[in-house]
Amino acid sequence: DTGVSQNPRHKITKRGQNVTFRCDPISEHNRLYWYRQTLGQGPEFLTYFQNEAQLEKSRLLSDRFSAERPKGSFSTLEIQRTEQGDSAMYLCASSPGRLAGSDEQFFGPGTRLTVL
Amino acid sequence: AQTVTQSQPEMSVQEAETVTLSCTYDTSESDYYLFWYKQPPSRQMILVIRQEAYKQQNATENRFSVNFQKAAKSFSLKISDSQLGDAAMYFCAYRSPTGANSKLTFGKGITLSVRP
Repeated sequence: DTGVSQNPRHKITKRGQNVTFRCDPISEHNRLYWYRQTLGQGPEFLTYFQNEAQLEKSRLLSDRFSAERPKGSFSTLEIQRTEQGDSAMYLCASSPGRLAGSDEQFFGPGTRLTVL
Repeated sequence: AQTVTQSQPEMSVQEAETVTLSCTYDTSESDYYLFWYKQPPSRQMILVIRQEAYKQQNATENRFSVNFQKAAKSFSLKISDSQLGDAAMYFCAYRSPTGANSKLTFGKGITLSVRP
């Protein structure tokens, strides 16, 4: 499978615990995005990387959230001291990073987080 | 900041009939991209169709076409010959030109059901 993959697919945790999600983009895609989607809503942008550089972070990304993309390949999203409001689907997407054209984003299946 | 509005939370269509999903957006940019994404239940989001704002011609992809009205900031999706597999959530999304902020801004989505 050459699409975007995310692990784990589901995560249940207790309030106050730390969780980490992983995203593996399509090979050779330079850009990688994280979005959060709550029930019945559209995805909301969290952050994105151009290779290993984190170029933008949404104000939704509080101090408890951190994302990395070492070596410009896979990315991790960590949430510290989880709160019930963090319960959501976390989506990862990647794109080639073309300078021209629409630079289509391809989405992974998401990680569903439930904070008890 | 750009905003995307999908005011219809749900729609239903008879199999083989045509349905139109509405979307409006707000932006001060003159060049941008618009997208319709499909999210089937428990499956990942896939791109249905894209429209470049500088193109006057409406985009078409098989049974899917758009009605892009730039002055009115309207971007509707028409699905012809609806099939059971078209049942999903549909999201309208906006993107600034490649090279600038490349995040997608989504609407809240619309749930489309297809009656056999």
